[in-house]
Amino acid sequence: EPEVTQTPSHQVTQMGQEVILRCVPISNHLYFYWYRQILGQKVEFLVSFYNNEISEKSEIFDDQFSVERPDGSNFTLKIRSTKLEDSAMYFCASSEGDRTSNQPQHFGDGTRLSIL
Amino acid sequence: AQSVAQPEDQVNVAEGNPLTVKCTYSVSGNPYLFWYVQYPNRGLQFLLKYITGDNLVKGSYGFEAEFNKSQTSFHLKKPSALVSDSALYFCAVRDGIEANDMRFGAGTRLTVKP
Repeated sequence: EPEVTQTPSHQVTQMGQEVILRCVPISNHLYFYWYRQILGQKVEFLVSFYNNEISEKSEIFDDQFSVERPDGSNFTLKIRSTKLEDSAMYFCASSEGDRTSNQPQHFGDGTRLSIL
Repeated sequence: AQSVAQPEDQVNVAEGNPLTVKCTYSVSGNPYLFWYVQYPNRGLQFLLKYITGDNLVKGSYGFEAEFNKSQTSFHLKKPSALVSDSALYFCAVRDGIEANDMRFGAGTRLTVKP
């Protein structure tokens, strides 16, 4: 069964540095998402992406965050200047359609981001 | 805005017994409800969803969930628990009218003891 893959599985970065988290969504999916889960807390929506642009974003997704689909397969999340509170597990997800098609989102295994 | 609550942090059951993991939701429009499971060091795996139709939906690994509109609940159930069902379970809701995003509950850790 096709899977969403994320790299790296664990990223350790100094505070203030830029970090890029990578995701390869399922190949026929059109909608892409990023979520994060701070240790011991709930999964939080960050952003959704369709047709090469952001379709929805949460209040968490401020100016230090950006997303990009640089080629036909990768979907990246960039954090420009990391803060200690950015330490979390970041999940990428993809789906065939959006809310109107009601297709479930399929999640990657996550990237654990640790900011020192 | 939509929200979802999982009132139990932890559920413990004996193998072979029925299990229930509770979820209640709040939306302004029609709810689209989902259950996901997370095994250690893995991502969220889709179990089942409710969109419309039959209130009892069946999903992967023998799980099912019952949509109750009057109680705004979507409890996850399984008639006979397995030790391998031990994991973290997340309920999620999407508002049919509003955003593309899903709101997740805080998660319930299910432990099935032999």
